Amino acid sequence: LAKTTQPISMDSYEGQEVNITCSHNNIATNDYITWYQQFPSQGPRFIIQGYKTKVTNEVASLFIPADRKSSTLSLPRVSLSDTAVYYCLAWMDSSYKLIFGSGTRLLVRP
Amino acid sequence: EAGVTQFPSHSVIEKGQTVTLRCDPISGHDNLYWYRRVMGKEIKFLLHFVKESKQDESGMPNNRFLAERTGGTYSTLKVQPAELEDSGVYFCASSQGQGARNYEQYFGPGTRLTVT
Repeated sequence: LAKTTQPISMDSYEGQEVNITCSHNNIATNDYITWYQQFPSQGPRFIIQGYKTKVTNEVASLFIPADRKSSTLSLPRVSLSDTAVYYCLAWMDSSYKLIFGSGTRLLVRP
Repeated sequence: EAGVTQFPSHSVIEKGQTVTLRCDPISGHDNLYWYRRVMGKEIKFLLHFVKESKQDESGMPNNRFLAERTGGTYSTLKVQPAELEDSGVYFCASSQGQGARNYEQYFGPGTRLTVT
């Protein structure tokens, strides 16, 4: 499974758009890019997954360029409740298990 | 619909004792996973059940850990005997099926295990 690299932490303010970029230079053909969110004292929660180009759901957007060596999670107009750790993972559909890195700790300030 | 539940939420035991953690997956989910985070480290995969069968237990740290899923419903993870380095948060997750179309894993709140 591909190793992912993302910033350790990010700060933002309420109402701003937050973009978290993840690098995955050795991503394999069968890997999908998956993002999970984790609040303190809770288990991780799935946010979004994509293979290439752009995916959007009610929570976020995921941008994956053609070379798939990186991806960007975009959170529109964050609120204080978006303060959490965000994990970028390369997930292989034949492998099912999730390989977590250190994640990005996002702090949203008033 | 009820989510993944785990019991207990917190367990404090002495080194050498036995502890059994329980996970109830979302009803109808054939896939059940165990993960754990030990202090200061990343969340690590332990094992994966498909119904009652162990699909992959490559992440189990040693033979002091035993996971079961009798009947393909709830699962237990027993640690016997517990060691200090077993302290951490144990997460259970379940998913409807394998493959990209059923990929989302739903996590429980975790069991915090403290071995003293």
